[in-house]
Amino acid sequence: EVQLVESGGGLVQPGGSLGLSCAVSGFIFSDHYMDWVRQTPGKGLEWVGRIRNKANTYTTEYAASVKGRFTISRDDSKNSLYLQMNGLQTDDTAVYYCARVADNSWSRTVDDYWGQGALVTVSS
Amino acid sequence: DIQLTQSPSFLSASVGDRVTITCRASQGISNYLAWYQQKPGKAPKLLIYAASSWQSGVPSRFSGSGSGTEFTLTISSLQPEDFATYYCQQHNSYPLTFGGGTKVEIK
Repeated sequence: EVQLVESGGGLVQPGGSLGLSCAVSGFIFSDHYMDWVRQTPGKGLEWVGRIRNKANTYTTEYAASVKGRFTISRDDSKNSLYLQMNGLQTDDTAVYYCARVADNSWSRTVDDYWGQGALVTVSS
Repeated sequence: DIQLTQSPSFLSASVGDRVTITCRASQGISNYLAWYQQKPGKAPKLLIYAASSWQSGVPSRFSGSGSGTEFTLTISSLQPEDFATYYCQQHNSYPLTFGGGTKVEIK
């Protein structure tokens, strides 16, 4: 069974930093690209960024709203995905989901499995 | 960035109704559009990708169509478990973007 479990959410002050982790099981993690997606309370979904697999040199893509502040990384030996968030702002408050990208081809570069989400609250 | 506009943002329907949701892209995205369903307190669930391809396990009452800039998600006969919010997402180019959502509620 595919499982993704986020951890590390919590309350942080504006300007602060926080790291999220996503532990995965039930599939060959090293084969897949992985995404982070967030959802602000009561609002819609926003794609945060993506990390490709080793075969594609672990390259990353980011939304403009987080580029330069957030860093996505992965440790294939630990079946884990990470999101390091620096310079947090109040509008970064959201539930953050990690998600598996179904396939590397553009026709299936969609998120087919999601974690349960981790709440990050940025407030003084 | 590619903007996705969903309509309607809210709809009220009855069990058994045929429901259609539209997603319009600000520029052509070929057929690289996905649909997700989200229920309160849960993560989104992939329904359709590449405009019309079913994700494994998704009931056949859900169907997608379209290409270029206009896409539709149709639920042929609404079931009680289908009351949820639906989002489109373009997977044509970075940054990936989502539509604003369509909430389907019970009439």
